[in-house]
Amino acid sequence: QVQLQESGPGLVKPSETLSLTCTVSGGSISSYYWSWIRQSPGKAPEWIAYIYYDGSSNSNPSLKSRVTMSVDTSKNQFSLKLTSVTAADTALYYCARGEVGATSWYFDLWGRGTLVSVSS
Amino acid sequence: SNELTQPPSLSVSPGQTASITCSGDKLGKTYVSWYQRKPGQSPVLVIYQDARRPSGIPERFSGSKSGNSASLTISGTQAMDEAEYFCQAWDRSTVVVFGGGTKLTV
Repeated sequence: QVQLQESGPGLVKPSETLSLTCTVSGGSISSYYWSWIRQSPGKAPEWIAYIYYDGSSNSNPSLKSRVTMSVDTSKNQFSLKLTSVTAADTALYYCARGEVGATSWYFDLWGRGTLVSVSS
Repeated sequence: SNELTQPPSLSVSPGQTASITCSGDKLGKTYVSWYQRKPGQSPVLVIYQDARRPSGIPERFSGSKSGNSASLTISGTQAMDEAEYFCQAWDRSTVVVFGGGTKLTV
């Protein structure tokens, strides 16, 4: 049974970089599109970015300039770095596995999420 | 701005049918998925590609779409179905978009 587990600091200072890692257990990271999704209180979930196991990636245009994605197939992990964070980046961050087609994109597996607060 | 619109809440009695809507200008051109999220748990995919049900999801969950509006229907709603449900679609400009979520009270 494949499971996803997010890890990383729960508190980040303003202007610093938020770094999160998702570990895939019970299955291979090869194939599938691996994403980060966040939800701030009272707001809709927001897709942040995806990375494919070959290292290709894409980001939400609204966050593109601040996002870096990476993948380590030897550790079955993928990671997110979000630079220059502000209080607006405080959210519950999820990692998720995506099934992608020409006109279809859905997430068939999610982690439990990790809460990240941005505060001095 | 959020491109998919859902009602913030819906309340039904056990055994009734719950219908949650999701509307957006581009839904007619892309597939819609639905997720269930309970407090402290991972979101669960309950419907994908408008109307397909993943393995393990009860038959009482169904999905449909007409034009720019999609619906998630739960027939014979049970107490265990109380959760937040949100829709999701794909759009070329942002790639992935989500609805704001509907809190279902049973």
